[in-house]
Amino acid sequence: QTVVTQEPTLSVSPGGAVTLTCALTSGSVSTTNYPSWYQQTPGQAPRSLIYRTSSRSSGVPDRFSGSILGNKAALTITGAQAEDESDYYCLLFVGSGVWVFGGGTKLTVL
Amino acid sequence: EVHLVESGGGLVQPGGSLRVSCAASGFTFGSYWMNWVRQAPGKGLEWVANIKHDGNEKYYADSVKGRFTISRDNAKNSLYLDMSSLRAEDTAVYYCARYSFSWSFFDSWGQGALVTVSA
Repeated sequence: QTVVTQEPTLSVSPGGAVTLTCALTSGSVSTTNYPSWYQQTPGQAPRSLIYRTSSRSSGVPDRFSGSILGNKAALTITGAQAEDESDYYCLLFVGSGVWVFGGGTKLTVL
Repeated sequence: EVHLVESGGGLVQPGGSLRVSCAASGFTFGSYWMNWVRQAPGKGLEWVANIKHDGNEKYYADSVKGRFTISRDNAKNSLYLDMSSLRAEDTAVYYCARYSFSWSFFDSWGQGALVTVSA
C-alpha cells in the first residue's frame, strides 16, 4: 500500500520558523491528494489545522500555513510558540476511497 | 456543536471479535461520510475505513480488509466497526471522524475508544 513519509522529529526555537513536509513514496503530492494537517497533543484527539493544501481550519492561528513545496505537501509555522510543541500528521487521499496518514512529526520548541 | 462519542472498547483475546460504536450528535449524521482512524500505543495515526453517507460505499485499509466491517445506522445516528480475527497489532485507540465532503478533510473527531488484544 502507499506510504506517506514525514520527518520523524524537528525542532524550532521560540519565535522561529519551521517547515514540516509530507511525501508520497510513489510519486509527487498534488492538490488532488487533498493534503490536510492535524495536530495532536498527548492523550488528546487530533485537531485539524489545514485542509485542501492551504486553508486553515476554524480558530487556527495564522502562523500556521500550508502549501505544496516541490513534490511534497508542507506545513509551515512562522513565529513558533511553546504551545506548538505537538505531534503533526499529514493526511493524503490516494484514490479509490483510500486515505493514508503520514508517520507523523514530533515538533519540539526549544 | 458536533459531538462524536466512541464506546465498546475493551480487552479481547487474539482471534476474537469486538464491535466499537460511535454516537453522533449536533449535525445531520445521514449527510456525512464517516471514518475510523486508529492509533496504536506510542505510534502514529492510521486510517482504517470509511463509509458513504447512505452506507452504499465502503473502503478499507489493506491491514484490516477482510477482517473489519464498517457500518452505520442513520436512524440511530451511529457508526460501527465490527472487528474479527483480532491480532495483537490491532491494539489501539479507535477514533471516529467526520469527513467534510465539501472541503475534503476530517473536520471533527471523537475522543477514542481503547481496544486491547491480548491473551
